[in-house]
Amino acid sequence: DTAVSQTPKYLVTQMGNDKSIKCEQNLGHDTMYWYKQDSKKFLKIMFSYNNKELIINETVPNRFSPKSPDKAHLNLHINSLELGDSAVYFCASSSQTEKLFFGSGTQLSVL
Amino acid sequence: KQEVTQIPAALSVPEGENLVLNCSFTDSAIYNLQWFRQDPGKGLTSLLLIQSSQREQTSGRLNASLDKSSGRSTLYIAASQPGDSATYLCAVLRTGLQFGAGTQVVVTP
Repeated sequence: DTAVSQTPKYLVTQMGNDKSIKCEQNLGHDTMYWYKQDSKKFLKIMFSYNNKELIINETVPNRFSPKSPDKAHLNLHINSLELGDSAVYFCASSSQTEKLFFGSGTQLSVL
Repeated sequence: KQEVTQIPAALSVPEGENLVLNCSFTDSAIYNLQWFRQDPGKGLTSLLLIQSSQREQTSGRLNASLDKSSGRSTLYIAASQPGDSATYLCAVLRTGLQFGAGTQVVVTP
């Protein structure tokens, strides 16, 4: 069974559209994250939720809105997509200060 | 603000040689340090995690050391194999995980 699964794997869309990426973990972890990997392969944290509460919110445009309906899910909704949003988005989860487990990534291409 | 640096950015070695990957960080107030592997077009796989109170961790051919006072970690991969070819990233945990830019490793047969 996949520990951290995110969908879709690929997302191609036009500028200005609104899209969502879903993430689910079946590890029983308390904390979930969203990371963005840019074209230079640099990974940067965007958000972190602990027990459904937002604990980290880096300087991310407010077009990005995470939603955590329960501990096992952290979805990412993006409004009014821009060209610069094109990247690979990774979901991850962990239990307190233990290892992070990553999803396989969602490659977003904004045309 | 925490900065994580990995040197070298790329490394190519013949099969059988040992690999040495370096990671440095500016703020020693970390909870742990993790080493990850990323294959092209794939997600990240956690290799080793060293808690802030530990000095090293070992798993098979992999050994990672941590020197918090100097802000350094080193990943050693013994007797490299072509299957070790990937990008290796280190990350430190404080408020969220801060990543280095990675070292791209190629092991030639």
